[in-house]
Amino acid sequence: QVQLQESGPGLVKPSDTLSLTCAVSGYSISSSNWWGWIRQPPGKGLEWIGYIYYSGSIYYNPSLKSRVTMSVDTSKNQFSLKLSSVTAVDTAVYYCARSESGSPRDAFDIWGQGTMVTVSS
Amino acid sequence: QSVLTQPPSASGTPGQRVTISCSGSSSNIGSNYVYWYQQLPGTAPKLLIYRNNQRPSGVPDRFSGSKSGTSASLAISGLRSEDEADYYCAAWDDSLRGVVFGGGTKLTVL
Repeated sequence: QVQLQESGPGLVKPSDTLSLTCAVSGYSISSSNWWGWIRQPPGKGLEWIGYIYYSGSIYYNPSLKSRVTMSVDTSKNQFSLKLSSVTAVDTAVYYCARSESGSPRDAFDIWGQGTMVTVSS
Repeated sequence: QSVLTQPPSASGTPGQRVTISCSGSSSNIGSNYVYWYQQLPGTAPKLLIYRNNQRPSGVPDRFSGSKSGTSASLAISGLRSEDEADYYCAAWDDSLRGVVFGGGTKLTVL
C-alpha cells in the first residue's frame, strides 16, 4: 500500500524558511511518477506549489517560483520542499502527493494526510 | 482568483442528481485532461475522476465526469448524505506550465 507522510515544523517565524519532507512508503520514488506539493490556507482552496521527478526535473508554480526549492532523496525514498521568506499568507495545510503516471499533466492519485504550518512570531 | 471557475456552492436532497461545473480556457481544460477531487471535512483531497471521465477503483459509478471544449462537469446521481464535501476541479495549464485548481464547490445535502 502506497503511503505518503509529511513532516516538518508546525510553526515557522516570518522571514524564515519553511522546510517539509514527504516520506514515501510501499513504493519506489524512482518509479515513473511525478511528486508534488499542494497547500491549502485555512478555509480556502487548493494551490499547487510544484512537481519534481526523481531525476530532478521540476515544475514550480510561477507565483511561488522565486521562493520555492524542491529536491528528491532516492536513498531515503523521500522528497522535500523549502519555501523561503515566509509570511502569514504562507500559513496553510501542506500536502504531498503522487501523480498517477509519468506525466505531470496527470492527476494526483495518492495524497499525504497533510501537515499544518503556521507562520507567526 | 482561481484559474478554473467553479460555483462556490451547490445543494441537493438525498436521491437527487446534482452537477458541478468547471470553466477554464484553451490552455488548460481545452487542451488537457480534467480531474475532480473530493475533500471531506478535515481530510486530504481524494481523486474522484481522472482523465475527464475515468473513475479510480472504489469510486461509485454515481460519480461521473464530462468535458466539452473549455468546460467540464461533475455529476453526482443518487445523492447521499456522505457526499457532503468540497469538490475541486483541476487541470494542467500549458501557458503557466503547472497545475491549476478551481476554487472549490461546497456541496450540501439538504
